Amino acid sequence: EDQVTQSPEALRLQEGESSSLNCSYTVSGLRGLFWYRQDPGKGPEFLFTLYSAGEEKEKERLKATLTKKESFLHITAPKPEDSATYLCAVRNSGGYQKVTFGTGTKLQVIP
Amino acid sequence: DGGITQSPKYLFRKEGQNVTLSCEQNLNHDAMYWYRQDPGQGLRLIYYSQIVNDFQKGDIAEGYSVSREKKESFPLTVTSAQKNPTAFYLCASSLRTGGGTTEAFFGQGTRLTVV
Repeated sequence: EDQVTQSPEALRLQEGESSSLNCSYTVSGLRGLFWYRQDPGKGPEFLFTLYSAGEEKEKERLKATLTKKESFLHITAPKPEDSATYLCAVRNSGGYQKVTFGTGTKLQVIP
Repeated sequence: DGGITQSPKYLFRKEGQNVTLSCEQNLNHDAMYWYRQDPGQGLRLIYYSQIVNDFQKGDIAEGYSVSREKKESFPLTVTSAQKNPTAFYLCASSLRTGGGTTEAFFGQGTRLTVV
């Protein structure tokens, strides 16, 4: 069974204090690892898809990286508007290509 | 603007009542999904559909039903058989390609409360 574990559950940063969120996974044939941002009471917003180990993608202050066992979401010099819950998910290579989500990391950036 | 529209945003259900959540997309996506989100748990798949007039049960389909009569629409009915329906419900869609499906895009959710 595919599993996604995100750590830490919650993270509190001062504005400008860079850090990383971790997503550890086990999956039957990785067909994509996804990062989403979710604001309270809203649907998840797509950020990145990574397909193979060594791949990296960037968007503003966010950078996602992928190894064979985990992915990191690096946040450089965060701002209060980066506060949200960040979700990680993996898609497997089965007939349906099921997507399994982690429980997320709740990030709070303090001015 | 292309996107996924869920309605209503808030819904209240009485004991023993069926309610239907609406999901409409204008992204021309083939695949559509319903997820349930509870505090402290990851998103759990209720039903999915890859083409019109076809849908499959997800991990927690008991007490729910769906239809897919049009490509744009994938309504979810929460029946009286669902004993713990209070949750945040999310609809999503994705594009089918030769290699599978692309990343999913989500609607803004419907919060269902049993009263």
